[in-house]
Amino acid sequence: DGGITQSPKYLFRKEGQNVTLSCEQNLNHDAMYWYRQDPGQGLRLIYYSQIVNDFQKGDIAEGYSVSREKKESFPLTVTSAQKNPTAFYLCASTQGDTQYFGPGTRLTVL
Amino acid sequence: GENVEQHPSTLSVQEGDSAVIKCTYSDSASNYFPWYKQELGKRPQLIIDIRSNVGEKKDQRIAVTLNKTAKHFSLHITETQPEDSAVYFCAASKGTYKYIFGTGTRLKVLA
Repeated sequence: DGGITQSPKYLFRKEGQNVTLSCEQNLNHDAMYWYRQDPGQGLRLIYYSQIVNDFQKGDIAEGYSVSREKKESFPLTVTSAQKNPTAFYLCASTQGDTQYFGPGTRLTVL
Repeated sequence: GENVEQHPSTLSVQEGDSAVIKCTYSDSASNYFPWYKQELGKRPQLIIDIRSNVGEKKDQRIAVTLNKTAKHFSLHITETQPEDSAVYFCAASKGTYKYIFGTGTRLKVLA
């Protein structure tokens, strides 16, 4: 999973702003995912993409948007419509059945 | 809907003792069951996985068992060490690229 990078590591946002979290992988994996993790909680699926130019909503997609224009990139935008965006965001990609995670981005709304 | 229940939410053991974490899944079509370890502030790391055609799998001090009839699977850690302290997540998948994660178990190994 060293081939999955996320940036930035920490991100601060003012209320009402949109922010974009980067996720890049050089593993040639087809499928990519975004999860949200709140303190003491499990991982909740926001969006996932199985192939370029296609993506599906997960369990908590409201207030988020994604794009998949390139196989190696799957950016997540947290919009102002997301009422409680402070969380740890994890990107993952899949080889076969196995998901590998990026190092995460911690987003804080000021 | 699909869900995975994980128990206990916290577990404290003495160093050298064994630890067992249990998960129950709802979708009988699930066929792949990974376990992840997450240290504070870091990414989840795959530690072991099992597929539905296998009942048990071992890797040194870690083992996973699967009971398809009961829809249960468990993680067993023997001879626990302080560096085993972390949050452990189970997950279930049915090959549709989508994982359903458990809520996690915080394991504390007391020296």
